Amino acid sequence: DQQVKQNSPSLSVQEGRISILNCDYTNSMFDYFLWYKKYPAEGPTFLISISSIKDKNEDGRFTVFLNKSAKHLSLHIVPSQPGDSAVYFCAAADEINFGNEKLTFGTGTRLTIIP
Amino acid sequence: NAGVTQTPKFQVLKTGQSMTLQCAQDMNHEYMSWYRQDPGMGLRLIHYSVGAGITDQGEVPNGYNVSRSTTEDFPLRLLSAAPSQTSVYFCASSYGLGPNNSPLHFGNGTRLTVT
Repeated sequence: DQQVKQNSPSLSVQEGRISILNCDYTNSMFDYFLWYKKYPAEGPTFLISISSIKDKNEDGRFTVFLNKSAKHLSLHIVPSQPGDSAVYFCAAADEINFGNEKLTFGTGTRLTIIP
Repeated sequence: NAGVTQTPKFQVLKTGQSMTLQCAQDMNHEYMSWYRQDPGMGLRLIHYSVGAGITDQGEVPNGYNVSRSTTEDFPLRLLSAAPSQTSVYFCASSYGLGPNNSPLHFGNGTRLTVT
């Protein structure tokens, strides 16, 4: 049973517009969430994270929003740039200080930025 | 700074053959792990290690062995390859044990095909 779901396998967005990637989870014990970005032929790289005590975290063009009641998080990229074209994975953990082995990953969303 | 290095990048095996996927990190990270990525499945944890001499099973350990004799190296052994082990394998490491302030650093992956 997939505890972390990314229901959109792919997304295309015009350069300069906002990209919104979504992630839903079912385990209410999850209390830390991360986004990873993956280019072809490379490993995933950490992008941004959020703790369940917050509902928003910003880092430059990237903002992650968390809605605990809906068990939903989203990643906003504004403005979108061609270099943002990649696969984005969300991940969740229920133990923030000792839980790297418990990270659960979603299936990924392929984002394509159209010049 | 090389980060996490995986070798080989590509490998083709026949059913029943054995091989070792190499992983080395030069960041003095305590935590190391192996994931496999399959279409529609996200990243699934195979084995992990919280330090030299300590290993444990992840979500999908069957058919794989690991050892951690040094902090730097964490090889993954396929004992008798099966077509179901066709996948992309990622090694990952982190300084701490939890996702909070210790996100995973991934290697660039090994694409394995078993015929």
